[in-house]
Amino acid sequence: GQNIDQPTEMTATEGAIVQINCTYQTSGFNGLFWYQQHAGEAPTFLSYNVLDGLEEKGRFSSFLSRSKGYSYLLLKELQMKDSASYLCAVKDSNYQLIWGAGTKLIIKP
Amino acid sequence: IAGITQAPTSQILAAGRRMTLRCTQDMRHNAMYWYRQDLGLGLRLIHYSNTAGTTGKGEVPDGYSVSRANTDDFPLTLASAVPSQTSVYFCASSDSGRNTGELFFGEGSRLTVL
Repeated sequence: GQNIDQPTEMTATEGAIVQINCTYQTSGFNGLFWYQQHAGEAPTFLSYNVLDGLEEKGRFSSFLSRSKGYSYLLLKELQMKDSASYLCAVKDSNYQLIWGAGTKLIIKP
Repeated sequence: IAGITQAPTSQILAAGRRMTLRCTQDMRHNAMYWYRQDLGLGLRLIHYSNTAGTTGKGEVPDGYSVSRANTDDFPLTLASAVPSQTSVYFCASSDSGRNTGELFFGEGSRLTVL
């Protein structure tokens, strides 16, 4: 079966750096997405990786290793507004998105 | 620019009743999707439509139906609601012609079936 694994919850301190990991086992691979979802709100797109390596976008970076079935989202200079759930999703060989359950990130002052 | 609009925002429904969740987008995206989100689970695809006039079943289609009469609208109907359909429902759209094809989500419809 297809599976996306990510930690259920993480806690970090304001101003610090946090890395959220995502491992996947899917039938084929056509890209990996990270979305941010604040409580009670809709998910919003953060990043897309289809080739191995690091994609940097401001305070957020996303890394992909296709051979290891692994990605991480790196958040730097954490702000209180970064408290949210972070969803990892993989597009499989049929171009359907398989979603992880999300990682709830709690930022403490 | 509204993006994607869902209605109603929330609804409490008696079991056995029929309910239609509305979804409208103004981005002229060809693909549209309905997901449900339940605590502890990832987003699960109910139905999708790659273009107006076509629809397909997702991971959890039973008890739900959709139609795509035009590009903008993609309503989701629960013919006879059951308590297990209590969930938050998200409509989404994407421009499949884009390299990333990221999804744009509506604000969600919180449905409680009693």
